[in-house]
Amino acid sequence: KQEVTQIPAALSVPEGENLVLNCSFTDSAIYNLQWFRQDPGKGLTSLLLIQSSQREQTSGRLNASLDKSSGRSTLYIAASQPGDSATYLCAVPSGAGSYQLTFGKGTKLSVIP
Amino acid sequence: EPEVTQTPSHQVTQMGQEVILRCVPISNHLYFYWYRQILGQKVEFLVSFYNNEISEKSEIFDDQFSVERPDGSNFTLKIRSTKLEDSAMYFCASSATPGHPREFFGPGTRLTVL
Repeated sequence: KQEVTQIPAALSVPEGENLVLNCSFTDSAIYNLQWFRQDPGKGLTSLLLIQSSQREQTSGRLNASLDKSSGRSTLYIAASQPGDSATYLCAVPSGAGSYQLTFGKGTKLSVIP
Repeated sequence: EPEVTQTPSHQVTQMGQEVILRCVPISNHLYFYWYRQILGQKVEFLVSFYNNEISEKSEIFDDQFSVERPDGSNFTLKIRSTKLEDSAMYFCASSATPGHPREFFGPGTRLTVL
């Protein structure tokens, strides 16, 4: 059964700092990995999707990497801003041939002005 | 950008009552999903739906739950007899293909069972 762990559970940084969020998963037979953003009481916004054949994906100040063999992904946020404050979720398919996503519990990021 | 919409945004019901949560997926998407998130916990998969039938379901999705695409645009989740533990945020999602799906999520319906 796929398990996803995210570390740290919460992170508080001053504005302008670069930061890294970590995600690990137990079943490396995935075909993609997604990072989502969730604002309090709101839905999920897909930030980045990395296919299994890719090692990283970039969107603006966000860069996500994927190391399937070690079961790890990182989300790098450059020059953090208060508007980046949210919970960041990592999600992978639950297993071979499955399209359901298994989510981590998330990292709650607070960027202090 | 097209988006998934959900109604209502908040539903309050009494234990034992039936509720129907509604979703309008992105128009050219073919695969539909329901997830839920109990307060403070992980987002959990409930069910996926394609070609008018369930393609996958989790152990959470028992006989109290059902899904339907009644009219070609809406996708509904019905809970027949709600329990206190059904209180959660329910998210609908849709994707164009299942092969390398990028699932687009709706804003959620907060269900409160009293």
